Amino acid sequence: KAGVTQTPRYLIKTRGQQVTLSCSPISGHRSVSWYQQTPGQGLQFLFEYFSETQRNKGNFPGRFSGRQFSNSRSEMNVSTLELGDSALYLCASSDNRGTNTEAFFGQGTRLTVV
Amino acid sequence: QQQVKQSPQSLIVQKGGISIINCAYENTAFDYFPWYQQFPGKGPALLIAIRPDVSEKKEGRFTISFNKSAKQFSLHIMDSQPGDSATYFCAASRGYQKVTFGTGTKLQVIP
Repeated sequence: KAGVTQTPRYLIKTRGQQVTLSCSPISGHRSVSWYQQTPGQGLQFLFEYFSETQRNKGNFPGRFSGRQFSNSRSEMNVSTLELGDSALYLCASSDNRGTNTEAFFGQGTRLTVV
Repeated sequence: QQQVKQSPQSLIVQKGGISIINCAYENTAFDYFPWYQQFPGKGPALLIAIRPDVSEKKEGRFTISFNKSAKQFSLHIMDSQPGDSATYFCAASRGYQKVTFGTGTKLQVIP
């Protein structure tokens, strides 16, 4: 079974630009969560999608948005990029057959804003 | 209420020693406490998890100790090996709600 695939692995963007990150979950998994990882803050939850609906949302500004498609693939968009958005963005999928199921993480997309 | 506090931030242990990482939570509604291990360049991977109805869970060299009354839980790595060098995250969740992670502990096991 293929793991969680995130593309691209690395991105360099300029302040003010926007960016779209992609996540393909494990086949059969319907829940996709996004996290921002920075050295000082650890893993910060952005949002979670389940069956194309946003089910949970973290405390990030509206510049951060996401969506999920019918095949469970998910995209995350950040508009008007700021220097502080530089981070590793991780996507995790789970099968959600019951509560508290294991989350499988991708390798992440390293975003650098200059 | 949703915070999970993790300590220490970094840890150096000699090969063969015991590594201990501690976490504390505030929300008594949390009912699932996983630990994740992350190697450089990789995403976190589930290491071991516990529910609050048990006080201890052991898998190989890894043990979670859980103290419900103190709202604390810890990861013990027995006979630590250089291959265990990684960043460890504790986490907590409830039902389908978001998983809240600790800030991570960078473990270095020296030969």
